[in-house]
Amino acid sequence: AQSVTQLDSQVPVFEEAPVELRCNYSSSVSVYLFWYVQYPNQGLQLLLKYLSGSTLVKGINGFEAEFNKSQTSFHLRKPSVHISDTAEYFCAVSVRNSGNTPLVFGKGTRLSVIA
Amino acid sequence: DTEVTQTPKHLVMGMTNKKSLKCEQHMGHRAMYWYKQKAKKPPELMFVYSYEKLSINESVPSRFSPECPNSSLLNLHLHALQPEDSALYLCASSQDPPNIQYFGAGTRLSVL
Repeated sequence: AQSVTQLDSQVPVFEEAPVELRCNYSSSVSVYLFWYVQYPNQGLQLLLKYLSGSTLVKGINGFEAEFNKSQTSFHLRKPSVHISDTAEYFCAVSVRNSGNTPLVFGKGTRLSVIA
Repeated sequence: DTEVTQTPKHLVMGMTNKKSLKCEQHMGHRAMYWYKQKAKKPPELMFVYSYEKLSINESVPSRFSPECPNSSLLNLHLHALQPEDSALYLCASSQDPPNIQYFGAGTRLSVL
C-alpha cells in the first residue's frame, strides 16, 4: 500500500518570500507523484506532476517540485509567493502502470500568505 | 481542454429527498471517479468507473448510487441521506497511463 505524509499542516509566509511545502511518500512499487491546489470553495487543480525523466518538474503559477527517490520526497517550492497563492495544497501518489488506480492523498498543507 | 463539469454547484436536500449529482467530461477519458471531501480534509474515494463499469466501491452506503450512462457522463444518485453526508462531492476523470486525474469544481451538498 502507498501512503503520503505532508509534514506541515499549516505554513504561514510573508508575501514575496520563498516557500517549501514538504511531502514524503511510502511505496514498495514505483509511483507517479502529483501536487494539487485547492482554493476556497473550489475543486482540486493540478499544479504539477512527476511521471518520469527529469527530477525537477515545473508547474503552473511559478511552482516547481523535485523528486528525490532516495529520500522518497517530492517537495513543492516557489521562490516568491503572492497573496493569491493562499490555498490548501495536497500531495498525492498513484501506482505506476497499474490501470486507473485511485490517488492516495496526503492530509494537506494550508499555505497562508501574509501581506 | 482539461475541464470536468459538475452540476449543480450547490444542493440543499432533506433526509427524505431524492436528488442526483452530475459530472461530464469531453477529454475522452475512460475512467471517472467520485470523491467526498469534508472540511479541512483530503478527498476520500467513493467509486471508480473504468470503461463504464464500476471497478471500485469503497464500501459506500447504499444511499449513494453511482451510474455511468456513457463514457462522458457520471451520475451520483442520492436518497435518504443523513446530515453527516453534508460535504463537497468531487468528480474526476483520467486516462491511463499515466492516470493523471482532473477534477471538477465540486457540488457542495447540505443535508438538513
